[in-house]
Amino acid sequence: QIHLQQSGPGLVKPSQTLSLTCAIFGDSVSTNDIAWDWIRQSPSRGLEWLGRTNLASKSKWYYDYAVSVKGRMTINPDTSKNHFSLQLKSVTPDDAAMYYCARASGGRYGYWGQGTLVTVSS
Amino acid sequence: VMTQSPATLSVSPGETVTLSCRASQSVSSNLVWYQQKPGQAPRVLIYGASTRAIGIPARFSGSGSGTEFTLTISSLQSEDFALYHCQQNNNWPWTFGQGTKVEI
Repeated sequence: QIHLQQSGPGLVKPSQTLSLTCAIFGDSVSTNDIAWDWIRQSPSRGLEWLGRTNLASKSKWYYDYAVSVKGRMTINPDTSKNHFSLQLKSVTPDDAAMYYCARASGGRYGYWGQGTLVTVSS
Repeated sequence: VMTQSPATLSVSPGETVTLSCRASQSVSSNLVWYQQKPGQAPRVLIYGASTRAIGIPARFSGSGSGTEFTLTISSLQSEDFALYHCQQNNNWPWTFGQGTKVEI
C-alpha cells in the first residue's frame, strides 16, 4: 500500500525558507514512469501545482517548477531515504497555504500526503 | 485555464447535481475529477473524463471532451457533500479548476 508522509514546520518567518519532506512508503522515488509533485491549496488560488521531479533516465533526474515559484523553489529527491523535499526561499504571506506532496501516474494524483498547513508570520 | 462553475451548489440529499468544468483550450479527454472533504487531501473520482476510479460508486459519472466537461452526482448522499476539483493532464503543466463546493 502506497503512503506519503509529510513532515516539516508549519510556521515560517517572512523572508525565510520553507522546508518540507515527503517520505514515500510502498513505492520508490526512483520508480520509472512515476513523478513526485508538490501542490499547494489556498482559498484564493485553489489547488496550485508547484513542482515536479522524476527519474528521467539512468541517474538523471527531471525537475520542473511553476512560473510562480521558479527561482525560489527546489525539489530534492533522496534515494537513500526514499523521500523528496521542497525548499521555498524568501517566503512571503502570499505563500501561506496547505502544502501537499503527491504521486503522479497516469495523468492523475492517486496518492497524496496528509498536507501541511504553512503560516508565514513573524 | 480550467474554470469550474458554479463556485457553490446548495442542494438536498437525494437530488441530482451537475458540476461544470471548462477548459480555455482543448484538453481532449484528459480530465480528472477529485473529491475533497474537510481536513483531507483530494481523491480521484473520475479520470479520462468518464472512467470511474476503483471503489467509486456508480452514482458519480463524468462526461465531456475538448473544452466542456461535467460531473454528475445522482441521488446525493450525505457523504457526497464536499469540494470537487477538475484537473487537466493534456497540456503541461497540469492545472486545476478553482473547485465547486457542494453543500447542504
